[in-house]
Amino acid sequence: EPEVTQTPSHQVTQMGQEVILRCVPISNHLYFYWYRQILGQKVEFLVSFYNNEISEKSEIFDDQFSVERPDGSNFTLKIRSTKLEDSAMYFCASTLTGRGTGELFFGEGSRLTVL
Amino acid sequence: AQSVAQPEDQVNVAEGNPLTVKCTYSVSGNPYLFWYVQYPNRGLQFLLKYITGDNLVKGSYGFEAEFNKSQTSFHLKKPSALVSDSALYFCAVRPSDSNYQLIWGAGTKLIIKP
Repeated sequence: EPEVTQTPSHQVTQMGQEVILRCVPISNHLYFYWYRQILGQKVEFLVSFYNNEISEKSEIFDDQFSVERPDGSNFTLKIRSTKLEDSAMYFCASTLTGRGTGELFFGEGSRLTVL
Repeated sequence: AQSVAQPEDQVNVAEGNPLTVKCTYSVSGNPYLFWYVQYPNRGLQFLLKYITGDNLVKGSYGFEAEFNKSQTSFHLKKPSALVSDSALYFCAVRPSDSNYQLIWGAGTKLIIKP
């Protein structure tokens, strides 16, 4: 069964450092997403991406965050200067359709720890 | 503010008994409703969804959910619980004014005891 893969599974970084989280969505999917879950809190939407541009983003997704699909298979989330409060599990997801009716297929997550 | 509530942090059920995991929502318009499950150290897996039509929807692993518009609820149910159903269950809602994002409940830990 096709799946979304994420790397790294766990990253520890110092505050102020740049971090790139990588995702390989399911190959025929067209819509890509990043969500995050701070420990003990709800899953939160960060951003959606379609046709090489951001289609929707939340208030969390400020100028410190960026997304990119550099090579047609990877989908990356970059945090330019990490803060302690960026520590969370980051989930990548993809869907075939973008009408909101399709279920999201999630990766297993990348745990980011900012020290 | 739009929100999703899962009023129970944890639900304990004996194996073979029916289970219910509750979800209520407060969003605008006619939302799309989803249930996801998360096993330990795994990602979120889709269980079922309600888009339109029959209020009772069936999903993976024998789960079903009932949409109740008047009560703005979308409770997850299963007639006979298995120990392997033990996991974290999330209710999520896509508001009608968004094309992409989901609003999530806090999750309910389901423990099935043999």
